[in-house]
Amino acid sequence: ELKVEQNPLFLSMQEGKNYTIYCNYSTTSDRLYWYRQDPGKSLESLFVLLSNGAVKQEGRLMASLDTKARLSTLHITAAVHDLSATYFCAVDMNFGNEKLTFGTGTRLTIIP
Amino acid sequence: DGGITQSPKYLFRKEGQNVTLSCEQNLNHDAMYWYRQDPGQGLRLIYYSQIVNDFQKGDIAEGYSVSREKKESFPLTVTSAQKNPTAFYLCASSIPPGQGWDGYTFGSGTRLTVV
Repeated sequence: ELKVEQNPLFLSMQEGKNYTIYCNYSTTSDRLYWYRQDPGKSLESLFVLLSNGAVKQEGRLMASLDTKARLSTLHITAAVHDLSATYFCAVDMNFGNEKLTFGTGTRLTIIP
Repeated sequence: DGGITQSPKYLFRKEGQNVTLSCEQNLNHDAMYWYRQDPGQGLRLIYYSQIVNDFQKGDIAEGYSVSREKKESFPLTVTSAQKNPTAFYLCASSIPPGQGWDGYTFGSGTRLTVV
């Protein structure tokens, strides 16, 4: 059974600081996804990582994937208030078994 | 614009009542999924369908039923057997593997409350 763990579950940061959210998963896969969710809203796709060593960046967010370690990171650089949200990572198995297993989420609060 | 439409946005269910949540997509995606989200938690898979007229149970299928008679539509029925249905329900879709795979598209969700 595929398990996905995120840490920390809660993160309170000051504006301008850097931090990293970690996502570990239990079964071999080279497909990992990061989503953002604002309160009461649906999921917004941030990054799709499809191979070992994949690194993607969008603004102040950067995601990477190490399939050998079964680890992905979401790095936040110089945080700003509008990054406050809940961030989920999710993993699916390879072709023929496309269904997502989600982590429990990291609730990020950026303090001015 | 292509996308996934979920309706209604809010739904109230009385005890012992069946309700159906609608999910329609015009993305020409083959696969569709239903997820449930409880407050402060991640999403859990209820049912999924990779092709018309076929679907599989996810991790928490008990008390739910689905149909996939058309490619565009994947309705979810929450039956009276689901004892704690209050949650946020999200529908998603995806293209077949190997065709420029870029992940999943999610709808805007339906918030179901038992009254």
